Amino acid sequence: DAGITQSPRHKVTETGTPVTLRCHQTENHRYMYWYRQDPGHGLRLIHYSYGVKDTDKGEVSDGYSVSRSKTEDFLLTLESATSSQTSVYFCAISDGQGLEAFFGQGTRLTVV
Amino acid sequence: GENVEQHPSTLSVQEGDSAVIKCTYSDSASNYFPWYKQELGKGPQLIIDIRSNVGEKKDQRIAVTLNKTAKHFSLHITETQPEDSAVYFCAALSSGNTPLVFGKGTRLSVIA
Repeated sequence: DAGITQSPRHKVTETGTPVTLRCHQTENHRYMYWYRQDPGHGLRLIHYSYGVKDTDKGEVSDGYSVSRSKTEDFLLTLESATSSQTSVYFCAISDGQGLEAFFGQGTRLTVV
Repeated sequence: GENVEQHPSTLSVQEGDSAVIKCTYSDSASNYFPWYKQELGKGPQLIIDIRSNVGEKKDQRIAVTLNKTAKHFSLHITETQPEDSAVYFCAALSSGNTPLVFGKGTRLSVIA
């Protein structure tokens, strides 16, 4: 299995609170991605990174920010969590576009 | 940008029968088409992929076909087994630096 770890695996938080999810990789892959998975919507890209401090928005980036200060870590922050952000969040890594993407185990976030 | 449609959303087959999942894409410049399998409680995992210079690819019981003219590609699973039960995602990669775009997924149930 690819060395990719998401933390926490589960989190319950209150509306309006900030939340940070962490993705850590040991593969030294250049690309890192954050997706959310919701019933009926499949996997939707939130943000991605193509190098340290190089990030770009995905399809559903509103309400989310990211940071990548080191190759191995990609952080996803919900500045002020809302109930619509209740979801399962997946981090993925790849060594290049058009190469296999490896997914983490996911983080189940519930905003109450 | 790229748009990927996937059908059906759910599929039930008897053990030993074949299963076919179909996807269409919108960007004629897309050149990489992977398929991912997601088992319950886990992240998606690549099972097979195909590039635009190839029309068909096989790996044991699974195969993928690509029709560039019609802009669709399909996953074929033969001799299905209960362990094939999972959610399957197709995806497409446009040229350039844009990440994979996923279909909404197909929940396959293999009935013993």
